[in-house]
Amino acid sequence: DAGVTQSPTHLIKTRGQQVTLRCSPKSGHDTVSWYQQALGQGPQFIFQYYEEEERQRGNFPDRFSGHQFPNYSSELNVNALLLGDSALYLCASSPDAQETQYFGPGTRLLVL
Amino acid sequence: AQTVTQSQPEMSVQEAETVTLSCTYDTSESDYYLFWYKQPPSRQMILVIRQEAYKQQNATENRFSVNFQKAAKSFSLKISDSQLGDAAMYFCAYTENSGNTPLVFGKGTRLSVIA
Repeated sequence: DAGVTQSPTHLIKTRGQQVTLRCSPKSGHDTVSWYQQALGQGPQFIFQYYEEEERQRGNFPDRFSGHQFPNYSSELNVNALLLGDSALYLCASSPDAQETQYFGPGTRLLVL
Repeated sequence: AQTVTQSQPEMSVQEAETVTLSCTYDTSESDYYLFWYKQPPSRQMILVIRQEAYKQQNATENRFSVNFQKAAKSFSLKISDSQLGDAAMYFCAYTENSGNTPLVFGKGTRLSVIA
């Protein structure tokens, strides 16, 4: 049984560009959450998707957007990249109404 | 807003010894969940243990156990018989018991294990 997978593992972009990160949830999980983890910090909640809709959102600007597909996989899009967007982006999945979230290995984004 | 505080940025322990990592949290809710996650250099966030606030009994998972003090809003992690593979960042996290609410994390404690 595959766990949560994310792609790519690493990414380098320049300021102003746009990026798309991808996540496939653990089998049987229909809820996907995205977190940003800056260096030396704990993860910060970006948003959560369920039934292809954004259900909750953290304190992140509209440059951060997402999508969930019918197979429950998800994408995180960031527009107009800033240097401060450099971070590890973590995807977590869970069955609906379950509190325990399982994380993928993350995507390391570097903005130059 | 809920907050999670880990007051120990770094800890170290001798192999085979016991270490305790501290965590406090702030919430007005009475029903919630607490977690400890481990993040090794590989970056994968791994669930170590979870505690349901309505359960008085402290959770245990093999060498890992917690000391949950609900009134004091304290949730410490004890690692017994420490192994080299336990070296990692450890994050304490909180979520409400309302189904799929976000996890709120502390800043983490870096644990080193000395051979």
